[in-house]
Amino acid sequence: SQTIHQWPATLVQPVGSPLSLECTVEGTSNPNLYWYRQAAGRGLQLLFYSIGIDQISSEVPQNLSASRPQDRQFILSSKKLLLSDSGFYLCAWRDRVTNEKLFFGSGTQLSVL
Amino acid sequence: SQQGEEDPQALSIQEGENATMNCSYKTSINNLQWYRQNSGRGLVHLILIRSNEREKHSGRLRVTLDTSKKSSSLLITASRAADTASYFCATAPMGAGSYQLTFGKGTKLSVIP
Repeated sequence: SQTIHQWPATLVQPVGSPLSLECTVEGTSNPNLYWYRQAAGRGLQLLFYSIGIDQISSEVPQNLSASRPQDRQFILSSKKLLLSDSGFYLCAWRDRVTNEKLFFGSGTQLSVL
Repeated sequence: SQQGEEDPQALSIQEGENATMNCSYKTSINNLQWYRQNSGRGLVHLILIRSNEREKHSGRLRVTLDTSKKSSSLLITASRAADTASYFCATAPMGAGSYQLTFGKGTKLSVIP
């Protein structure tokens, strides 16, 4: 069966520090991968999605970047965090063939202080 | 941009009652999906309804879709305290944007025992 791992679960970082959040998927090949951000009490904002290795689409201009060094690995990064980067970050995958429902990781709560 | 908008933003009911949540969207869709999120966790897929379907059932869940009104509803029958969560609709647009899944802001459901 397929599983998705996202870590860390919580992170407190000072303004100006770098960020690296990692997500890996097991049990499937060539998934579509996604990073979403959820502000407190709000909906989900799509940040990045990837349909293949080194194929990243950015949905909003921001202080963040994403990379997909391996088929089932998706990394969210920042060189210098801003206060506004605080939020709940969710990684998700989707079967490339059916392209229907998303499977989410457990999320990372990021607080930038 | 926010495609789906849920209504109401919050709903509080007694255990055993039915809960109805609505979702409106703006553009033509391939399918519409409903997800559930427990506090501080990732989202879990509940049900998907395609644009050529009008109603779908899954256990205590009933989803309707009216493409002429660009709206959907999620009905949870005989609610339980364990149904307390936030519920999100998500739309998959037709055509080139089909990789994206756009979420609304959600309805926060509280079921009182």
